[in-house]
Amino acid sequence: GNSVTQMEGPVTLSEEAFLTINCTYTATGYPSLFWYVQYPGEGLQLLLKATKADDKGSNKGFEATYRKETTSFHLEKGSVQVSDSAVYFCALRGYQKVTFGTGTKLQVIP
Amino acid sequence: DTGVSQDPRHKITKRGQNVTFRCDPISEHNRLYWYRQTLGQGPEFLTYFQNEAQLEKSRLLSDRFSAERPKGSFSTLEIQRTEQGDSAMYLCASSLGDSPYEQYFGPGTRLTVT
Repeated sequence: GNSVTQMEGPVTLSEEAFLTINCTYTATGYPSLFWYVQYPGEGLQLLLKATKADDKGSNKGFEATYRKETTSFHLEKGSVQVSDSAVYFCALRGYQKVTFGTGTKLQVIP
Repeated sequence: DTGVSQDPRHKITKRGQNVTFRCDPISEHNRLYWYRQTLGQGPEFLTYFQNEAQLEKSRLLSDRFSAERPKGSFSTLEIQRTEQGDSAMYLCASSLGDSPYEQYFGPGTRLTVT
């Protein structure tokens, strides 16, 4: 079946540091890939997506590239802010349901 | 666009009681999904509707769980004879279609079984 593996947290960074959260997946066919973010006390929000190999999803300074050859979809941001503190979930959608990773908590300190 | 809404946001119940949650999807979305999220984990798929038809159920959905979407609009998730292991966040999502359309999530209902 489909599965998503992402780096364990928590990740603690200083403001303006570079962020990478690793994500790899196992899936049959050609899934769509997503990053969702969950702020404290809130629901899941779609951060970015990529629907085919070599696509780059981007939003709010975050980027991730769909790498079929390495089955990866790593999340990056060049300069994090305190407001980016949240839990980030890598996910894939094979056809209907979405399969999530376990989440990576990011804490950005001033 | 009002987004996906869920009610209640929080529910505390005693073991053995029945609970029912409601989800209102985005109005033009014909796919509706239920997920369960426990502390420190990602959401896990429970079940899925296309319009009023329930098309898939996870093995996580024991026979104490039942979900309906009677008119293809809102959905309810009922848990009978709740157990402490049912304590979790129950998330609803809706989508305009299957992949590659993304799913939009509601704020969730946090269930605590005492």
